[in-house]
Amino acid sequence: DTAVSQTPKYLVTQMGNDKSIKCEQNLGHDTMYWYKQDSKKFLKIMFSYNNKELIINETVPNRFSPKSPDKAHLNLHINSLELGDSAVYFCASSQDFRGRGAFFGQGTRLTVV
Amino acid sequence: GNSVTQMEGPVTLSEEAFLTINCTYTATGYPSLFWYVQYPGEGLQLLLKATKADDKGSNKGFEATYRKETTSFHLEKGSVQVSDSAVYFCALSEINTGNQFYFGTGTSLTVIP
Repeated sequence: DTAVSQTPKYLVTQMGNDKSIKCEQNLGHDTMYWYKQDSKKFLKIMFSYNNKELIINETVPNRFSPKSPDKAHLNLHINSLELGDSAVYFCASSQDFRGRGAFFGQGTRLTVV
Repeated sequence: GNSVTQMEGPVTLSEEAFLTINCTYTATGYPSLFWYVQYPGEGLQLLLKATKADDKGSNKGFEATYRKETTSFHLEKGSVQVSDSAVYFCALSEINTGNQFYFGTGTSLTVIP
């Protein structure tokens, strides 16, 4: 059983399109995250949800909108895709703030052409 | 604020060499500290962790000790293998930051036979 699964693994799309990335965790965790990893491997937090409530919303273009239908799912919708959105997007989850760490999905490599 | 600083890479070592990857942190409270590993094309995996001062985290031959006096959490391994080639991330989480994890910039390690 995959703990944190996200789909799709690869996404190639044209500029201006709208796309979604889905994430599900079966660990029973209360908190879920979206991170963006750039070509230099730098990880940037985008959003954090705790029990379906938005906790962290970093400086991210409002073209990016997270949706959490329940605490096991956190999807990421991106409108009007731009070339600069090309990156690897990671979903993660954690149970509490200390001791156990966060569990990451395999990543979605988004390429905007 | 909270932040993590890692030594810059890339690091290239011969098999069986000793590895140290430096990590220092800044935190407003009492953070938990983590090392994550990312193998090519995969998500981040929790390698080891420590939740309080003087704790030593260890896994797969890797070790790191939580040093509050020097605000450090350096990763070490006595004898690296080719299979250890990956990107290593130091991270912290802290109660005052709402379950957010702060990551260092990552250090790429290549082990050559």
